[in-house]
Amino acid sequence: AQKVTQAQTEISVVEKEDVTLDCVYETRDTTYYLFWYKQPPSGELVFLIRRNSFDEQNEISGRYSWNFQKSTSSFNFTITASQVVDSAVYFCALSEATGNQFYFGTGTSLTVIP
Amino acid sequence: NAGVTQTPKFRILKIGQSMTLQCAQDMNHNYMYWYRQDPGMGLKLIYYSVGAGITDKGEVPNGYNVSRSTTEDFPLRLELAAPSQTSVYFCASRPTRASSYEQYFGPGTRLTVT
Repeated sequence: AQKVTQAQTEISVVEKEDVTLDCVYETRDTTYYLFWYKQPPSGELVFLIRRNSFDEQNEISGRYSWNFQKSTSSFNFTITASQVVDSAVYFCALSEATGNQFYFGTGTSLTVIP
Repeated sequence: NAGVTQTPKFRILKIGQSMTLQCAQDMNHNYMYWYRQDPGMGLKLIYYSVGAGITDKGEVPNGYNVSRSTTEDFPLRLELAAPSQTSVYFCASRPTRASSYEQYFGPGTRLTVT
């Protein structure tokens, strides 16, 4: 069965601090996809990144970076020099190879204090 | 493009009533999804569709029905509403190509059953 665990329910940081959001997943598939989505207070869901199981390269996009480690089944997300606009709930998600079904973690609520 | 649209934005139902949540997308995506998001929880897949005329159950299909007569529309039907169906409902769509599994979400429908 597929499962995504985000153990950190809530995190608060002071502006300009770095913060890492953890994501651990379970799957028996050899081909799968991992995602991060952002849900700001307005409620919409915004896609951030997709990573497939064959690509373990870390990725950096501006202040955002992602660390994918198959050995520990983790796909962690780091925000460098956090800003107030980063305050949101962040969801990690997993899809099996067909992309028919997606499994979301329970989310981590990040508050950046000015 | 309007993207993924959902109506209504808010609705209050009495126990036992029925209603249809509307979802439409104008991106010619074959894949469409319905999720529910309960407070403090991640998204749970209710139903999905891989194309017009084809639908399948997700993790939490009980109490819901769907149909997909066109590529654009994917309505979700609630029969005999129960308080347990109080939630925020999100519709999503994605392209068919394997290189692009990220989902595009609608703004959500907040449903309260009392």
